[in-house]
Amino acid sequence: DAGVTQSPTHLIKTRGQQVTLRCSPKSGHDTVSWYQQALGQGPQFIFQYYEEEERQRGNFPDRFSGHQFPNYSSELNVNALLLGDSALYLCASSPGAGNNIQYFGAGTRLSVL
Amino acid sequence: AQRVTQPEKLLSVFKGAPVELKCNYSYSGSPELFWYVQYSRQRLQLLLRHISRESIKGFTADLNKGETSFHLKKPFAQEEDSAMYYCALSFVGTNAGKSTFGDGTTLTVKP
Repeated sequence: DAGVTQSPTHLIKTRGQQVTLRCSPKSGHDTVSWYQQALGQGPQFIFQYYEEEERQRGNFPDRFSGHQFPNYSSELNVNALLLGDSALYLCASSPGAGNNIQYFGAGTRLSVL
Repeated sequence: AQRVTQPEKLLSVFKGAPVELKCNYSYSGSPELFWYVQYSRQRLQLLLRHISRESIKGFTADLNKGETSFHLKKPFAQEEDSAMYYCALSFVGTNAGKSTFGDGTTLTVKP
């Protein structure tokens, strides 16, 4: 089991562009959460997907959107990128929406220039 | 709003000394508390979950609802305990799935 996998590992974009990050959950997990981790800070919850729907959302603007596919994999989309969106984006999966134990991927490092 | 505070950004102890990493939280309810650890060049992974009441790698953590704290303790630190530690609070019930993390404490265990 490869665990939670994220792609790409690194990404460089310019202000105003759009980006899509991808995540495959751990085998047997059906719930995916996304986090933004700025340098020197803890992960900040963006949203959680379960049964292909956004189930919970943190304090992030609508520029941040997501999707979950029938195979439980997920995408995070960020539109109109700002310099402040530069961060490590983490994906975490859990075996059920009510299970708060999370398994994390290695993350995607996004740099916005 | 819920908040998790880890007052020490950096903590340094000698091998064999006791270690305590502090975590305080604010939440108007009964949350689920976790400690996650990130070793060098590895991904974030679960260390402890308060409802399990287990000892993992010699670490324990007790939820003190009166003081709203969930401090992580180990009586004798080892060099391999050097890592970044994050305290996290997760909602239960209808808001289950939302989690709030502290900003982490970097623990260095010196030989």
